[in-house]
Amino acid sequence: TQLLEQSPQFLSIQEGENLTVYCNSSSVFSSLQWYRQEPGEGPVLLVTVVTGGEVKKLKRLTFQFGDARKDSSLHITAAQPGDTGLYLCAGRRSTSYGKLTFGQGTILTVHP
Amino acid sequence: NAGVTQTPKFQVLKTGQSMTLQCAQDMNHNSMYWYRQDPGMGLRLIYYSASEGTTDKGEVPNGYNVSRLNKREFSLRLESAAPSQTSVYFCASSLTGEGTEAFFGQGTRLTVV
Repeated sequence: TQLLEQSPQFLSIQEGENLTVYCNSSSVFSSLQWYRQEPGEGPVLLVTVVTGGEVKKLKRLTFQFGDARKDSSLHITAAQPGDTGLYLCAGRRSTSYGKLTFGQGTILTVHP
Repeated sequence: NAGVTQTPKFQVLKTGQSMTLQCAQDMNHNSMYWYRQDPGMGLRLIYYSASEGTTDKGEVPNGYNVSRLNKREFSLRLESAAPSQTSVYFCASSLTGEGTEAFFGQGTRLTVV
């Protein structure tokens, strides 16, 4: 079992639709991050959240950290084909001495 | 800016062969990581190094060894490769501290036949 469970694993939608990706754990995280990965490349950071209940917006992307710091969500409004990619949540726990743990990832495909 | 550089980019090994994956970063980061990425599994941490001279096991360390040669370099060694180690390997580095961004190399695609 993974420390961070992401859902859904696959998402195929039409351009203009909204979507939400979830990242859940039974453990408390001191920080949560979302990365995006393109084929043949390494992941690239989108956002970091560190405070329970924190909400951050990046253009059409909204990120939320759960109040208990055990979960996070990524919401995309009016998805575009350019949003297609692999989205990964990642976190550090205060007991993990800096180790960064990733979820399984969500493969998003946005059709024109 | 080179960032995180991994070599080689592709490698095919026969079962039982050994090899070392090299990683170097030029961002003066203390923390370095080795991950493997398999379909449907996201990135799984193999080993982590918080600073020069220290290493710590991650989720899937069996079959691997690491060396933090200096602050810049962190190598991953497969002593006796197995088909189950066929994967894409990523090296990453970050500053020390909560919420710091991890920077990744472009990956090494390893196939063990």
